[in-house]
Order: sequence, then C-alpha cells, then structure tokens
Amino acid sequence: SQQGEEDPQALSIQEGENATMNCSYKTSINNLQWYRQNSGRGLVHLILIRSNEREKHSGRLRVTLDTSKKSSSLLITASRAADTASYFCATDLVMNRDDKIIFGKGTRLHILP
Amino acid sequence: GAGVSQSPSNKVTEKGKDVELRCDPISGHTALYWYRQSLGQGLEFLIYFQGNSAPDKSGLPSDRFSAERTGGSVSTLTIQRTQQEDSAVYLCASSLSAVGYEQYFGPGTRLTVT
Repeated sequence: SQQGEEDPQALSIQEGENATMNCSYKTSINNLQWYRQNSGRGLVHLILIRSNEREKHSGRLRVTLDTSKKSSSLLITASRAADTASYFCATDLVMNRDDKIIFGKGTRLHILP
Repeated sequence: GAGVSQSPSNKVTEKGKDVELRCDPISGHTALYWYRQSLGQGLEFLIYFQGNSAPDKSGLPSDRFSAERTGGSVSTLTIQRTQQEDSAVYLCASSLSAVGYEQYFGPGTRLTVT
C-alpha cells in the first residue's frame, strides 16, 4: 500500500491564487520532503521537514507537518505559471536499520493565466 | 560532474532483448536510488545502494531486473528479456546519505519496448 498519498490528484487555479496540496502517510517517519517534477523527467527537491518540526518556509513555499495526524501540507502562495508541475511528497521510513524513501503519486498543479 | 547523469536518455528495444541503463551520481554521494515512473504515475521505488551494497532490493519487479554499483559511484540497472510492461522512465537519484538528505535526480532514461 502507498505510504505517502497526495491530495488532490489534480488542481487548477488562477495565477496569483494560493495552491494547497496535502500528503498523508501511514507509518512513523524521520523526515518528509516535497519535490516538483516538470515534463515527466527529473524531480527537483523543494523542501525537507524533519519529524520534530511543525512548519518550514522557503520563499513562496510553506510546509506544515502534523505527526499526530500523519499529514503534511504544501502551500504555494501567489502562484505563477511556472509553478505548473507535478508535486510529490516523499517520506522516509525506518525499516529495521535501513531507511528508504517512498514517493506518493503526486498532485498535478495547473496554473491558469 | 555538476549533477546526476543518466544514459542513454532514450532507449527503444525489441521485446525479449536485454538493456542496460547507467547512472552517474554526484561525486561523494554514498546513497543511490533507482525508480521507475510510468506515464502520469508516481515514482515506483526499485532499489537503493548505500555505498556498493543494496540493503533493500524489495522494489525490483521481477528477477529479470538487477542492479549493481561499483566503486561507490556508477550504477547500472539491467533488465533482461524486456517486456512491453517494462516501458517507462527510469530515474536515478543520489544523496549524501540515505537518511534525511535530499535526493538529486538525473533526467531519466525513457525506455520503450516494442
């Protein structure tokens, strides 16, 4: 079963509006990361939030983490056309002594001009 | 190099043939990951290396898939007797370590099995 699941699967908003995407996960994590993917090729890291952090900012990005609800949100403020992309959350699991990172299926964000 | 590189960028092969995909990680990165992404889907974890060893091979879809990493650097993903369902973009990523570090992705190899 999927560890990280983004919600919604797709989102279209007007340029200038704020976009909010959510990620839910099932098991305890060390960290949660958000990535962006353009054109179905390589992903670009946006932000990492550790399990003992509740909120983190980077430019127009704001990420929150609620470990009690096992959920995270990514907020993009004042959206721009260039923000059109797919956004993935990635959680790292503690499995025995080895960690691995599990990606969700992503939210496809489309910014309308 | 400045980033993760992968080769080839595109590969078209006939069903039943073997293919080898290559990943050159960022120098000094000890962790290396392989993922597969089908059209419009999320990333499917295949395997990751810490140094030259692969602690977790659970994501490999079948025994036709294998991967190795030598010298703690370059990695190759081999698919034997390719099937049409193997068609996808294969992404490689590296990070300083497996725990709590961002992954840097390569541009991917688009594999098409005809």
